[in-house]
Amino acid sequence: AQSVSQHNHHVILSEAASLELGCNYSYGGTVNLFWYVQYPGQHLQLLLKYFSGDPLVKGIKGFEAEFIKSKFSFNLRKPSVQWSDTAEYFCAVNAVQGNDYKLSFGAGTTVTVRA
Amino acid sequence: DAGVIQSPRHEVTEMGQEVTLRCKPISGHNSLFWYRQTMMRGLELLIYFNNNVPIDDSGMPEDRFSAKMPNASFSTLKIQPSEPRDSAVYFCASSFQRDTQNQETQYFGPGTRLLVL
Repeated sequence: AQSVSQHNHHVILSEAASLELGCNYSYGGTVNLFWYVQYPGQHLQLLLKYFSGDPLVKGIKGFEAEFIKSKFSFNLRKPSVQWSDTAEYFCAVNAVQGNDYKLSFGAGTTVTVRA
Repeated sequence: DAGVIQSPRHEVTEMGQEVTLRCKPISGHNSLFWYRQTMMRGLELLIYFNNNVPIDDSGMPEDRFSAKMPNASFSTLKIQPSEPRDSAVYFCASSFQRDTQNQETQYFGPGTRLLVL
């Protein structure tokens, strides 16, 4: 089974700073990759996803992520964060194999943006 | 589209009581997932259904937990009897599975916050 590692447990930064959250997965085959965001007290919402094609994926709210197959990574970035980006961010991977449709989540990274 | 609908949004119950959580997936989706989120264990997949059939329930903690999907638009997760350690947020998610190689994005419901006293 695949596993997902998110390197940072908690990131604290100031408004307008750049953000990069690391995500690595362990599966060597074809994967679908996702970043979800969970604002305080709310449910998970999809930020962006990668299925195939251009490895640089642009999502909502100015977020982007780059799939680097050789590094098994799918890092999330935002050039300039806002206070409203304070949330928990989850990387998720779905290994495309047979009938396995499980979505494996990382432990999450809590991002706190200070005004 | 209304998105994934879950009820109740909050549930407070006493230990030993039966709890039933409900989920209505997005219309047209044929896969449904139940997750549990806690501070200690993060997001855990409990069970998922495809075309109303349970495919993998290996994440269900124990026999006290059961899930059903009687039709394409409704699923329940039942805990009987409930225990304080079951306190968590339970999310339902749905997606469309095109074929064995194409699982589309999972969309999550608002969750049910369960507190067992």
